[in-house]
Amino acid sequence: TQLLEQSPQFLSIQEGENLTVYCNSSSVFSSLQWYRQEPGEGPVLLVTVVTGGEVKKLKRLTFQFGDARKDSSLHITAAQTGDTGLYLCAGVGGGGADGLTFGKGTHLIIQP
Amino acid sequence: DAGVIQSPRHEVTEMGQEVTLRCKPISGHNSLFWYRQTMMRGLELLIYFNNNVPIDDSGMPEDRFSAKMPNASFSTLKIQPSEPRDSAVYFCASSFSGSYNEQFFGPGTRLTVL
Repeated sequence: TQLLEQSPQFLSIQEGENLTVYCNSSSVFSSLQWYRQEPGEGPVLLVTVVTGGEVKKLKRLTFQFGDARKDSSLHITAAQTGDTGLYLCAGVGGGGADGLTFGKGTHLIIQP
Repeated sequence: DAGVIQSPRHEVTEMGQEVTLRCKPISGHNSLFWYRQTMMRGLELLIYFNNNVPIDDSGMPEDRFSAKMPNASFSTLKIQPSEPRDSAVYFCASSFSGSYNEQFFGPGTRLTVL
């Protein structure tokens, strides 16, 4: 059973466009983390959201945690080619697991 | 700081052989995680150690998989015997005090079992 569903699975857009990717679950998490992974490397943490309804901004990236702490979204404004990568959301404290529960990720390609 | 170190980076072996993956966590971190990543299943937690003690091994696929952490600076993941379906990228990550804090991932070991 996949606790975290990410959508879309693949997304290819032109540089300068805006995009939103989603992370949804039926489980409640104490916090949720977003990671970015480049080919041949491990995931790198972008942000952690803890409070229901929380919004965090990281330059052109805006992260939101749902009020019920079951879902999250990542919005990128004016995408750049350097944003290309695999974006993973990971729930903490859900399903009884002590480690992170990862979604399968959104493969994002920003074309010049 | 060198970050999390994993070795080897690539491993190609034949079905039935023993495979040992190694991880050196970041100095000072007391939690260590082993993950497996495939296209089909994404990133899956295999086992989690806290202060060198296995806390949650519910993700270990079967008895062919075993993990040890003899001290705070070293962990191994062993597969014996290996099977083609074990082919994946295996990541080690470390953090300070559990998964609630940022996990730092190593570069991974790409395992291919023929």
